[in-house]
Amino acid sequence: QPVLTQPPSASASLGASVTLTCTLNSGFNDYKVDWYQQRPGKGPRFMMRVGIGGIVGSKGDGIPDRFSVSGSGLNRFLTIKDIQEEDESDYYCGADHGYGTTFMYVFGSGTKVTVL
Amino acid sequence: EAQLVESGGGLVRPGGSLKLSCAVSGFTVTNNYMNWVRQAPGKELEWVSIIYSGARTNYADSVKGRFTISRHNSKNTLFLQMSSLRPEDTAVYYCTRTSYDSGGLTGMDVWGQGTTVIVSS
Repeated sequence: QPVLTQPPSASASLGASVTLTCTLNSGFNDYKVDWYQQRPGKGPRFMMRVGIGGIVGSKGDGIPDRFSVSGSGLNRFLTIKDIQEEDESDYYCGADHGYGTTFMYVFGSGTKVTVL
Repeated sequence: EAQLVESGGGLVRPGGSLKLSCAVSGFTVTNNYMNWVRQAPGKELEWVSIIYSGARTNYADSVKGRFTISRHNSKNTLFLQMSSLRPEDTAVYYCTRTSYDSGGLTGMDVWGQGTTVIVSS
């Protein structure tokens, strides 16, 4: 099954850029990954899905243009440009695997983003 | 607008049962894949269960045999019946929709606000 690894924290100064990484385990380099944002005290919201070729489908409702994704090898990236105070959140990646009675969905452990 | 509203959480003793509900509006529960996802205090997200549009279901190993996902088609509502509850089931439980297209699944694109379950004596 896929395992998703995320660094626990990242930070950027207001207005700067930051790139978050979600790394798949070996053998899963063709997997797509979903990114979710969870603001403090709130439920998660879907941002977008990314494969090795970039975004898959559409962004989630209300996701600003300064959020983008890309993929390379086993890594799936979420980049925040011109970071704002409201972007201070936990960011989780997730991936589905299998179907029916073999279906599972796995999440990474999340990256806490701090805006300096 | 697609919306999910969970209810039914509360305090329950170990070994007890609880049934969560998720009221769905803006789309039809029978035409979509629906999930329950939970988050223990200070922890990461954990997928719990899925029900497909054809009513097939699956569960995480941690809840298999104890939790049952179901839906009421005419009430457009999703449920999670939880039994033999353990302290480690303490979490905020979220109802989510998984969308799909011709290319396959496209992510959990709608989330509720969550309902809190505390398992403690």
